[in-house]
Amino acid sequence: DAGVIQSPRHEVTEMGQEVTLRCKPISGHNSLFWYRQTMMRGLELLIYFNNNVPIDDSGMPEDRFSAKMPNASFSTLKIQPSEPRDSAVYFCASSFKRNSPLHFGNGTRLTVT
Amino acid sequence: AQTVTQSQPEMSVQEAETVTLSCTYDTSESNYYLFWYKQPPSRQMILVIRQEAYKQQNATENRFSVNFQKAAKSFSLKISDSQLGDTAMYFCAFMFADSNYQLIWGAGTKLIIKP
Repeated sequence: DAGVIQSPRHEVTEMGQEVTLRCKPISGHNSLFWYRQTMMRGLELLIYFNNNVPIDDSGMPEDRFSAKMPNASFSTLKIQPSEPRDSAVYFCASSFKRNSPLHFGNGTRLTVT
Repeated sequence: AQTVTQSQPEMSVQEAETVTLSCTYDTSESNYYLFWYKQPPSRQMILVIRQEAYKQQNATENRFSVNFQKAAKSFSLKISDSQLGDTAMYFCAFMFADSNYQLIWGAGTKLIIKP
């Protein structure tokens, strides 16, 4: 089991640019989560998918953020346009079913200058 | 609203010592799950241990064990024979049992194991 795979590991971009973060969940897991971690706010849930369907996107900061899950093995989080305040570590996590423990990827450290 | 409190922002102990990290939570629910996650400098969040609230027996995973006190709403993590690789941020988290997915996270405790 390769675990949750995220790419890229680091992303540095300029304000206004589009950023796309990618995630491959663990095979067989039907729940997928995108989290953001900052020193000030800790871990924040951005969006939750179940069986590829977005169930709760109330944590998505604003319309600049969008997430998709076209199939069970792939998800993206896109920020367009990016702003310096988006700088954070973004985690993808998956779980076998609701209430199962979450398995996290290594995260993407995003820096927007 | 459910809250999770980790009262120790930072702790340090000598290698091979035993250390206990505290976590308290507030909920009116009777059925829920509690977790400890570890985040080493590599930044990956790693599940350490899980406890179901309906189980009286404390969960154990090798050198890691919990002291779950449901009435007191306390869920402390004990690390025995601490190792340098245990140096990390440790997060306590709460999840409802009935069809919920939202994890409520504590602020974390930074644990440093000194050689």
